[in-house]
Amino acid sequence: AQSVSQHNHHVILSEAASLELGCNYSYGGTVNLFWYVQYPGQHLQLLLKYFSGDPLVKGIKGFEAEFIKSKFSFNLRKPSVQWSDTAEYFCAVTDGPGGFKTIFGAGTRLFVKA
Amino acid sequence: DVKVTQSSRYLVKRTGEKVFLECVQDMDHENMFWYRQDPGLGLRLIYFSYDVKMKEKGDIPEGYSVSREKKERFSLILESASTNQTSMYLCASTLQGQPQHFGDGTRLSIL
Repeated sequence: AQSVSQHNHHVILSEAASLELGCNYSYGGTVNLFWYVQYPGQHLQLLLKYFSGDPLVKGIKGFEAEFIKSKFSFNLRKPSVQWSDTAEYFCAVTDGPGGFKTIFGAGTRLFVKA
Repeated sequence: DVKVTQSSRYLVKRTGEKVFLECVQDMDHENMFWYRQDPGLGLRLIYFSYDVKMKEKGDIPEGYSVSREKKERFSLILESASTNQTSMYLCASTLQGQPQHFGDGTRLSIL
């Protein structure tokens, strides 16, 4: 069965620190990859997505993610975090362009100290 | 912009009650999903539907059922609520293979 593993459940950073959140998945075929973010009290929203092409994708609010097929990874990065980035981040995988099911990771709670 | 509306933000029910959670989307999406979100477990798929009157079990369907009589509406039903069904419930809709659009969630407490 497919699974998505996020390396950290809780991350605490100071403002201006760099961020990298790890995500690995276990599906050998073509995948669509997503990062979602949930700010406190808000609904889940899409941060960025990868379908094909350039493995380095850029999302909203300065976030980017790199798809490394050989490592089954899709890590999220941001060079300099802000207090407003405090949120929970979810990595997700759908099995290919026609896939129905999306598998979510357990989530990483990021707290940014002002 | 896609709007996914869940009928209640907070709901408190008693053990044994039949509970209905409603979800409506306004973008003519064929696929709709119900998840529950629990700390440390991420989002777990309960049921999904890929067309009117069509439904498929997700990873944790036990104790739940769903109804999709109209394309825009997907209902989650707790047949006989139990305390272990206290959770945050999220509805989502999408076109096939595309990112999902989520509602605000319903925080359900079963006493």
